[in-house]
Amino acid sequence: NAGVTQTPKFQVLKTGQSMTLQCAQDMNHEYMSWYRQDPGMGLRLIHYSVGAGITDQGEVPNGYNVSRSTTEDFPLRLLSAAPSQTSVYFCASKSAGGSSYEQYFGPGTRLTVT
Amino acid sequence: KNQVEQSPQSLIILEGKNCTLQCNYTVSPFSNLRWYKQDTGRGPVSLTIMTFSENTKSNGRYTATLDADTKQSSLHITASQLSDSASYICVVSDSSGGSYIPTFGRGTSLIVHP
Repeated sequence: NAGVTQTPKFQVLKTGQSMTLQCAQDMNHEYMSWYRQDPGMGLRLIHYSVGAGITDQGEVPNGYNVSRSTTEDFPLRLLSAAPSQTSVYFCASKSAGGSSYEQYFGPGTRLTVT
Repeated sequence: KNQVEQSPQSLIILEGKNCTLQCNYTVSPFSNLRWYKQDTGRGPVSLTIMTFSENTKSNGRYTATLDADTKQSSLHITASQLSDSASYICVVSDSSGGSYIPTFGRGTSLIVHP
């Protein structure tokens, strides 16, 4: 199992550009989510999905879109990048069997917006 | 609002020494508490998970305790090693609703010196 994979590892964007951060998991997990991690702050939930075709907003969804067409993939789209979106982004997945099931994190994507 | 506070913010110890990290939370209704280890440039990895009825859980040299009455948890690291240098994150889940939206602490940065 590759677990949770993310691409790219690093990305630099100019303000106003758009891009998609890719996330895939091979554990057949129903639940997938995107977090951002900023210095001095805890991980904050951007969007999450409880299954293919179902997505919902987390704590900080503005400026981001998601879709879930398959169980395996959960891409995060930045519509018009802003410097405030400079951050490290983590994708995670877990079984939908309850909060006691472990959540697995990807290696992260470090995004810089200039 | 659910909150998780961790202390200290950072800690430096010598190799071989023990240390204890603290986590206080105001998450209700409580479901479980996890401790994660996050190495620099990597995603978080789960160390332990405790539910309401558990007050101690060990994983090798890591021992977590939970006092659900005072809403406090600690992570004790015994005989520290250089590889223990990392950020340790306390994460608390509530049991309300059907979605998994945990609350993350800001983490304690641990540096182990030889």
